[in-house]
Amino acid sequence: QKEVEQNSGPLSVPEGAIASLNCTYSDRGSQSFFWYRQYSGKSPELIMFIYSNGDKEDGRFTAQLNKASQYVSLLIRDSQPSDSATYLCAVNPYAGGTSYGKLTFGQGTILTVHP
Amino acid sequence: DGGITQSPKYLFRKEGQNVTLSCEQNLNHDAMYWYRQDPGQGLRLIYYSQIVNDFQKGDIAEGYSVSREKKESFPLTVTSAQKNPTAFYLCASSISANSYEQYFGPGTRLTVT
Repeated sequence: QKEVEQNSGPLSVPEGAIASLNCTYSDRGSQSFFWYRQYSGKSPELIMFIYSNGDKEDGRFTAQLNKASQYVSLLIRDSQPSDSATYLCAVNPYAGGTSYGKLTFGQGTILTVHP
Repeated sequence: DGGITQSPKYLFRKEGQNVTLSCEQNLNHDAMYWYRQDPGQGLRLIYYSQIVNDFQKGDIAEGYSVSREKKESFPLTVTSAQKNPTAFYLCASSISANSYEQYFGPGTRLTVT
């Protein structure tokens, strides 16, 4: 089992719809969760982070965390063609203190928003 | 402007040659990281440094070396021992090692033939 798993997609949604991106992780002790957006040929850009169970909203983006189910998701409301990118989920895997500062990334989900 | 710079953007080398990728940041961040990304895959950690003059191996350190002589600089050398060096290399930094919010430079795309 991979440490961080994402559906690679591609996920295709119409403009204006809600895009839902999902991520599961294997390390139950993980404490910090991140979503990065990566346009083709570019480097990842941090768009959301969440540390506590529940929802965190920032503009059109909502991150949802459920530690009991080891599940984190990203919702993008009113999706725009400019949201078309690969979305990477990253998790800080707890390993008794040895994972200090380290992140484990999923393979990414390709999102396409069509007009 | 504050940020992370990587140079060059594209790099071509012959097999058997060592090559050094530059990473500089003016964010006053303590921690710096090197990742590689292969097509269709996530990022894999090569090396990281929590503070000047200190660094640790990541998950795929074999065939790579780093130095951290200055806070703002964290160069990565891809040696001839690295079996599959062609990849997209990304440098990142965070305020401190206990801050997991990492910010990335623009990346260097290395092609070895």
